[in-house]
Amino acid sequence: QVQLVQSGAEVKKPGASVKVSCKASGYTFTSHGISWVRQAPGQGLEWMGWISAYNGNTNYAQKFQGRVTMTTDTSTSTAYMELRSLRSDDTAVYYCARTFGVASFDYWGQGTLVTVSS
Amino acid sequence: DIQMTQSPSSLSASVGDRVTITCQASQDISNSLNWYQQKPGKAPNLLIYEASNLETGVPSRFSGSGSGTDFTFTISSLQPEDIGTYYCQQYDNLPPITFGQGTRLEIK
Repeated sequence: QVQLVQSGAEVKKPGASVKVSCKASGYTFTSHGISWVRQAPGQGLEWMGWISAYNGNTNYAQKFQGRVTMTTDTSTSTAYMELRSLRSDDTAVYYCARTFGVASFDYWGQGTLVTVSS
Repeated sequence: DIQMTQSPSSLSASVGDRVTITCQASQDISNSLNWYQQKPGKAPNLLIYEASNLETGVPSRFSGSGSGTDFTFTISSLQPEDIGTYYCQQYDNLPPITFGQGTRLEIK
């Protein structure tokens, strides 16, 4: 069965970076892209960007351009999302999601809580 | 960016009721719209894709319709396990992908 397992919760200070991993199993990793979506406490869903697991092409939301990097390691079927220059309003649960078609998310990771606090 | 306006923002209904949520796009998005359910503390779950297609394994009481700018999500007979927050999501004219603000559904 398809599973996306994310790394554990992180606590970071403002200005630091965080790198969240998302290990996929149960399907051919390179056949689907991975998107990253975040959710601030009590708030809605916010799309951050997408990476092709086939060729590494990326598409980032303009809001995060210059601050986010998405990568994949096909040898371990793992996707990564690094967010730099963290601010308090980056405190959120970060989800990875398998992407099919243009941009439909059919399987999700369990979420990783990133807390940014001094 | 395409804005998605969902209504209502919250909803209370009884078991067995027909429930309807609407989503309006700020411009024509054809049928590039999905619906998700999110239960507290859990990741979202895809219910409907391309406006009206039921995702595999999703109960048939869930349905979606619409195209262009106006979309509707319906639960034909509300069940206790349907509580949660529902989001629409558009994927036309990327980037960015955008979500509606969510509709919180509770049982009366």
